[in-house]
Amino acid sequence: KAGVTQTPRYLIKTRGQQVTLSCSPISGHRSVSWYQQTPGQGLQFLFEYFSETQRNKGNFPGRFSGRQFSNSRSEMNVSTLELGDSALYLCASRGGSGLAGGGTQYFGPGTRLLVL
Amino acid sequence: AQKITQTQPGMFVQEKEAVTLDCTYDTSDQSYGLFWYKQPSSGEMIFLIYQGSYDEQNATEGRYSLNFQKARKSANLVISASQLGDSAMYFCAMREDPGGTSYGKLTFGQGTILTVHP
Repeated sequence: KAGVTQTPRYLIKTRGQQVTLSCSPISGHRSVSWYQQTPGQGLQFLFEYFSETQRNKGNFPGRFSGRQFSNSRSEMNVSTLELGDSALYLCASRGGSGLAGGGTQYFGPGTRLLVL
Repeated sequence: AQKITQTQPGMFVQEKEAVTLDCTYDTSDQSYGLFWYKQPSSGEMIFLIYQGSYDEQNATEGRYSLNFQKARKSANLVISASQLGDSAMYFCAMREDPGGTSYGKLTFGQGTILTVHP
C-alpha cells in the first residue's frame, strides 16, 4: 500500500499570503489529522477530519482551516500568513478506530513552510 | 498541564547495546493509547510501537519493546541491539479516548534525540 503523501514538500511564502497544503491518506483510511511542528512549540494538533467532517480541533486561530473530500484527501489552508507560521506541517491518516492498534496514525513526509 | 513528559533531551548509546527512552504521561481517562514514533532528520514520523491502556502485556515490535507501567503512568521505549540507523528524534505520544470515542488527536512529548555511536 502506498503511504501518506503530502504536497508540496517545500514552500516559501511571504507574510500576508495564504497557502494550501494537500494530503492524500493511505488507501482505505478515512481519518486525516494535521499537526504543526516547530522548534519552540513542538508537535501540536491542528484538526482531524473523518468522512468529510471536522471531528476535533486544536487551539489554533481561525486562519487555520481545513477540509476533506469524498475520496478522503484533505487540504489545510492558512490565510494571512505570519512569520510564526513557519513550520513543518504533518498530515496523518488512520484506518479503523477504537482502542486497537488499528487506530494508529501513519504520517506523511510533511510540508516545510517558510514564511518570509 | 503537560500530558506527555520526556525528560531526556538527548541520549547516547553504543552500537549493538540496548537503550531505554523515558516517557511519563498524565490522563484521567481509563481508555487511552500510547505510541512511539521515530523522526529522522528528513522529517517523516515513523510509527514504531503501540500500547493500549487495557493491554495486559507489554507491546513488542522487533527490536522495540514498550515497558508499560500503568500505575506509574510510564511507557518507556526499549531499543535492543542499537544500530547506527536508529539515530533520530523519538517521540512519545498519547491518544485519549474520552467517553469511549476514539478521535485522532495525539498529544506529543518534546522528544528525545538518540545518537548511536559506532
